[in-house]
Amino acid sequence: DAKTTQPPSMDCAEGRAANLPCNHSTISGNEYVYWYRQIHSQGPQYIIHGLKNNETNEMASLIITEDRKSSTLILPHATLRDTAVYYCIVRVALQGAQKLVFGQGTRLTINP
Amino acid sequence: AAGVIQSPRHLIKEKRETATLKCYPIPRHDTVYWYQQGPGQDPQFLISFYEKMQSDKGSIPDRFSAQQFSDYHSELNMSSLELGDSALYFCASSLQGRSNQPQHFGDGTRLSIL
Repeated sequence: DAKTTQPPSMDCAEGRAANLPCNHSTISGNEYVYWYRQIHSQGPQYIIHGLKNNETNEMASLIITEDRKSSTLILPHATLRDTAVYYCIVRVALQGAQKLVFGQGTRLTINP
Repeated sequence: AAGVIQSPRHLIKEKRETATLKCYPIPRHDTVYWYQQGPGQDPQFLISFYEKMQSDKGSIPDRFSAQQFSDYHSELNMSSLELGDSALYFCASSLQGRSNQPQHFGDGTRLSIL
């Protein structure tokens, strides 16, 4: 699976949009970009995933560049409960179990 | 919506004892994954099962074994426990019929070895 690079930490003011970048310059054509977050010692929580088109759900938006070498997760109106470690993971979508490889992630702190 | 259920939530054992962790996947999910997260570390993949067959294996010690049963629940068996086994153990499940489907995680079992 392709390696991802994320900033180790970011801060964002409550109520503002949080934009979390991820570089995955070696991504292959059949690899999806997944975002998970982990709030202190809880199980990782799935946020969103995409292949090449931008995606939006009730939690966030995912913007993938046209060359697919980077992406941005957008939390439109960050709240204190969004403070967590955010993981960008690239994974091949194949039949059968495909593990997630967690990197260091971005520790996002939402400030009041 | 129903989520992944793990039991027990907390477990305290002594060195050289055995432990069994259980995972009940989301209904209709056919794939189960186990991850280990040591203190201050990121989750690390241990092992996975698809349709009750082991499908992938990560950095799982030989002292650990796991299986998936006919009702799709899974158990992680740990023997000769060591201090270094103290960690959070997460189970995740997914539906692999559509291969890009995300994994959903349980709240984990916190294992402490004294």
